[in-house]
Amino acid sequence: AQTVTQSQPEMSVQEAETVTLSCTYDTSESNYYLFWYKQPPSRQMILVIRQEAYKQQNATENRFSVNFQKAAKSFSLKISDSQLGDTAMYFCAFNTGGFKTIFGAGTRLFVKA
Amino acid sequence: GAVVSQHPSRVICKSGTSVKIECRSLDFQATTMFWYRQFPKQSLMLMATSNEGSKATYEQGVEKDKFLINHASLTLSTLTVTSAHPEDSSFYICSATPRRGHTEAFFGQGTRLTVV
Repeated sequence: AQTVTQSQPEMSVQEAETVTLSCTYDTSESNYYLFWYKQPPSRQMILVIRQEAYKQQNATENRFSVNFQKAAKSFSLKISDSQLGDTAMYFCAFNTGGFKTIFGAGTRLFVKA
Repeated sequence: GAVVSQHPSRVICKSGTSVKIECRSLDFQATTMFWYRQFPKQSLMLMATSNEGSKATYEQGVEKDKFLINHASLTLSTLTVTSAHPEDSSFYICSATPRRGHTEAFFGQGTRLTVV
């Protein structure tokens, strides 16, 4: 079975500081994709960053970067220079390409002014 | 980018009635769409996979007769909650992927269903 685990239900960070959200997953597939989605209060799901499992290089998108450790099945998200607008629910997710996406339980992030 | 539109965004219905939620891919064809349910402060739970031209595939524990899914065209999937009860009140979200092998799922805006 494929599972995604987020062990941090809630986190807070001071504005302009850096925060790291943790995620681990389990799969027997060799080719897969990992994602971090943001769900603000509007509840619209927004893709933050994606990582292809076959790529060793960690993905980055502006202030967002990941630490992908394939052997450890770990996929953490680092948010640098946190902004108030980063306050949201963050979901780590997994799929095998075009198929159903499996989500972790989510981490609620509060950015404090 | 790919756009998925979900309608209505909010609906209130009486117990015992049925309500239909639409999910449309506006600028791409989607042979497969997915329906999720999200309880307050919880994650997205996959309910079913909607397949164009064939029967939907339901996840374990999801009642097929309660949640009817129709994927009649390459751009439209509908979820009908039949004989709704207050416990069906929830946030429902659909997603679609533009083509096989395309990794990213695109999400509709979600529908908040309240059954009174």
